Amino acid sequence: GQQLNQSPQSMFIQEGEDVSMNCTSSSIFNTWLWYKQDPGEGPVLLIALYKAGELTSNGRLTAQFGITRKDSFLNISASIPSDVGIYFCAGQLMYAGGTSYGKLTFGQGTILTVHP
Amino acid sequence: DTGVSQDPRHKITKRGQNVTFRCDPISEHNRLYWYRQTLGQGPEFLTYFQNEAQLEKSRLLSDRFSAERPKGSFSTLEIQRTEQGDSAMYLCASSPPPGQGRLAVRYNEQFFGPGTRLTVL
Repeated sequence: GQQLNQSPQSMFIQEGEDVSMNCTSSSIFNTWLWYKQDPGEGPVLLIALYKAGELTSNGRLTAQFGITRKDSFLNISASIPSDVGIYFCAGQLMYAGGTSYGKLTFGQGTILTVHP
Repeated sequence: DTGVSQDPRHKITKRGQNVTFRCDPISEHNRLYWYRQTLGQGPEFLTYFQNEAQLEKSRLLSDRFSAERPKGSFSTLEIQRTEQGDSAMYLCASSPPPGQGRLAVRYNEQFFGPGTRLTVL
C-alpha cells in the first residue's frame, strides 16, 4: 500500500528556533494536509494544500506542496512552548478520472519538543 | 461551528465483549471517516461514508468490525468479540461536500473528533 515517509521522527529545539519537517511519498497526491496532535486528543488541521508548488501560510506555519506532487514540507518559525506535540502529514490520492475517494494516508509523525 | 464529537472518550472492556462507538460529524458535512491509531503511529483508514452509503472499507476492517450511518448523520462503529490487538484510539473525521460557497475549496479537508480510546483486557 501507499506509504508516507515523514522526517525527522523527533526534534528537540530551543524556544525561538525555526523548525522544518517533511514528507515524501512513492505515490502522487492531489491534496496534502498537515495536522498537530496533542496526547489523548484527535489531530487538529493546520494547513491544507491543493496545487503542486503551492506555498501556504497560517501564522507562524508555512507549508508547501512539492512540484512532483510526491512531497511536502512544513516550517514553524520562532517556536514557542505550545508548539509541542506530534505533527503529521497526510496525503490524499487522485484516482483515475480525477475522483478522490477521500481516504487519507498519514506519515509516522514528528514529535516536537520545545525547551523554554 | 460545533466540532466532531465522539462517545465514549474511553472504553475498557474484556476480551470477547462487543463494543460500540458513536460519532457525530460537523453539521452540513456529508462525508464521514473512521480511522484507527495505535501508539506511535499515524492514523490508519478504516472506512468512509458519503451520506448513508459506505463507499470504501480498508482491509483492516475485519469481519468483526461493522460501521453504519443509517440516516446520513451520526455513525456507529461496532467491534464484536474484541481482541487485545483491537486496543487503539478510534478516530472519526468529517468533510464538507464540494462546491458549496465558501466551502468549495475545502472539500478535501478532514476534521477529526477527540477519539475513543479502547483498551481490551
